Amino acid sequence: AQKITQTQPGMFVQEKEAVTLDCTYDTSDPSYGLFWYKQPSSGEMIFLIYQGSYDQQNATEGRYSLNFQKARKSANLVISASQLGDSAMYFCAMREGPFNKFYFGSGTKLNVKP
Amino acid sequence: DGGITQSPKYLFRKEGQNVTLSCEQNLNHDAMYWYRQDPGQGLRLIYYSQIVNDFQKGDIAEGYSVSREKKESFPLTVTSAQKNPTAFYLCASSISASGEQYFGPGTRLTVT
Repeated sequence: AQKITQTQPGMFVQEKEAVTLDCTYDTSDPSYGLFWYKQPSSGEMIFLIYQGSYDQQNATEGRYSLNFQKARKSANLVISASQLGDSAMYFCAMREGPFNKFYFGSGTKLNVKP
Repeated sequence: DGGITQSPKYLFRKEGQNVTLSCEQNLNHDAMYWYRQDPGQGLRLIYYSQIVNDFQKGDIAEGYSVSREKKESFPLTVTSAQKNPTAFYLCASSISASGEQYFGPGTRLTVT
């Protein structure tokens, strides 16, 4: 079974609007971490936001927030007030297990339209 | 400036040759990682190291080797046994094994 599933290969959003990128995960480990990364066309991966499995509140970092629904095993990324510079690939990742292995999803390509 | 450096950015090799990709960090991070990314795909873990002189295989370690003799360095050797070595290789580090990973700029390897 896939550890991380991102079902949206590509998405479009109008500049200044909010967008939600979906991510579901699969783990039986009670302690895990969820991450979102942005990958511009240059290729470098940029860390955006982190949510721990025991965190009670949804994580927020500036225009990024993580909608964490533990029972549904989902960790959707919400980008508010989209900007042209937000156009990139976005990857959801999970850390789990005694060796803290990381698993990445297949990514969502976001295009912000002017 | 603290960060992770990978060199070179582009690398070309002939089939049958081993090639070593460099990864250096000055963030004083304990853990380091190597990933492979193929076009249009996510990242797949090759090897990772949580402390000096110790490393573990990831999901696709066959045809690759690593060493971790110094905290700041984690070179990856792509051997001739790797059947499809052409890919984008990303190195990452984290302050601890459970922390967020910070990535280098990547090396694009082409083998012909």
